[in-house]
Amino acid sequence: SQQGEEDPQALSIQEGENATMNCSYKTSINNLQWYRQNSGRGLVHLILIRSNEREKHSGRLRVTLDTSKKSSSLLITASRAADTASYFCATDEETSYDKVIFGPGTSLSVIP
Amino acid sequence: DTAVSQTPKYLVTQMGNDKSIKCEQNLGHDTMYWYKQDSKKFLKIMFSYNNKELIINETVPNRFSPKSPDKAHLNLHINSLELGDSAVYFCASSQVLRGEQFFGPGTRLTVL
Repeated sequence: SQQGEEDPQALSIQEGENATMNCSYKTSINNLQWYRQNSGRGLVHLILIRSNEREKHSGRLRVTLDTSKKSSSLLITASRAADTASYFCATDEETSYDKVIFGPGTSLSVIP
Repeated sequence: DTAVSQTPKYLVTQMGNDKSIKCEQNLGHDTMYWYKQDSKKFLKIMFSYNNKELIINETVPNRFSPKSPDKAHLNLHINSLELGDSAVYFCASSQVLRGEQFFGPGTRLTVL
């Protein structure tokens, strides 16, 4: 079964705008991760946020986690054409036998 | 230096053949993974090894057999290839279970 689901499935914005992607999950987690995948490439880790953290920043990226709502958001500020990629959240269920489960991803297009 | 490498990058073969994909990581990580990404970009874990021991074995047909000769290598052998095996296969590694994963560039397998 799928643990995390990203929303929206696809997002198209103009360069310079902010992009927000959301991830919802079903069970309790230890941590949640966000990854980026450029077309034809492997996934690249962006941020890991633990269940006892509410917000984390890395450069133009801001991740929030609301464990009461079982949701997370990834905000990319001042987007660039190079941010065009698919973004995945990955969660570890507390009872998943050490398994990290990836959501279906959000496809982001940043138009120059 | 490539952290996680896979060979080959592309693999085109006929139904019924047997093929192998190799993966190597030079990060000194203890845990390695195989994922399958389908045409809709959904990423599904297949296997996970920790210190050369199999710890995750998802409901994958037994035509798929992973082999870990040492901590730095995790190869995937597929017998009797079927059309539905066509996908991109990613190898990944992490220092700890449920931690940040480093992905290889992927192997695009096409079964004709």
